[in-house]
Amino acid sequence: NAGVTQTPKFQVLKTGQSMTLQCAQDMNHNSMYWYRQDPGMGLRLIYYSASEGTTDKGEVPNGYNVSRLNKREFSLRLESAAPSQTSVYFCASSEVRDRGNYEQYFGPGTRLTVT
Amino acid sequence: GENVEQHPSTLSVQEGDSAVIKCTYSDSASNYFPWYKQELGKRPQLIIDIRSNVGEKKDQRIAVTLNKTAKHFSLHITETQPEDSAVYFCAASNPHTGTASKLTFGTGTRLQVTL
Repeated sequence: NAGVTQTPKFQVLKTGQSMTLQCAQDMNHNSMYWYRQDPGMGLRLIYYSASEGTTDKGEVPNGYNVSRLNKREFSLRLESAAPSQTSVYFCASSEVRDRGNYEQYFGPGTRLTVT
Repeated sequence: GENVEQHPSTLSVQEGDSAVIKCTYSDSASNYFPWYKQELGKRPQLIIDIRSNVGEKKDQRIAVTLNKTAKHFSLHITETQPEDSAVYFCAASNPHTGTASKLTFGTGTRLQVTL
């Protein structure tokens, strides 16, 4: 089991460029999430997908779009990158089961720099 | 929405001493409170969690306490070791079976265990 995987690991963009961050999980989880992590601010939820076919905004969705391609994959797109989007991006997945297992499993992260 | 505050932001203890990290939350509907540990350059990983129907939970040297009336919860690490050095995040959520578990994170505590 690879768990949650993310590509790329590192990326440098110029202001105005676009890119897509990829995330995949092999744990058969229904729910997937995108967070950004900035120094001193913890992790903040950008978008999430409760199940295949649904997506919803989190705390900081502006400047981002997402696609839940299938049950395994959840991508995050920056249409026109800005320096304020320089951050570390984490994808996560979880399965809220009847017995109440709510643990979120995180990917290794993508370090994005926008110049 | 939910707001989680975490203190202190940095904590330095000597090996063998105890460490306590405290969090408060604002939404009385929150009923799931996980703690994540993040080592430098790594992904966050769940170390312990507590549900609102439980006041205290212990796992070896780690314990978490919850006071729903006061809306605060704490992480206690006893007999600290150098490998406990990391950033610790608290979080709060109101998950339901079959839905996404949207986490609101605190801003993190950098714990340093010195020899």
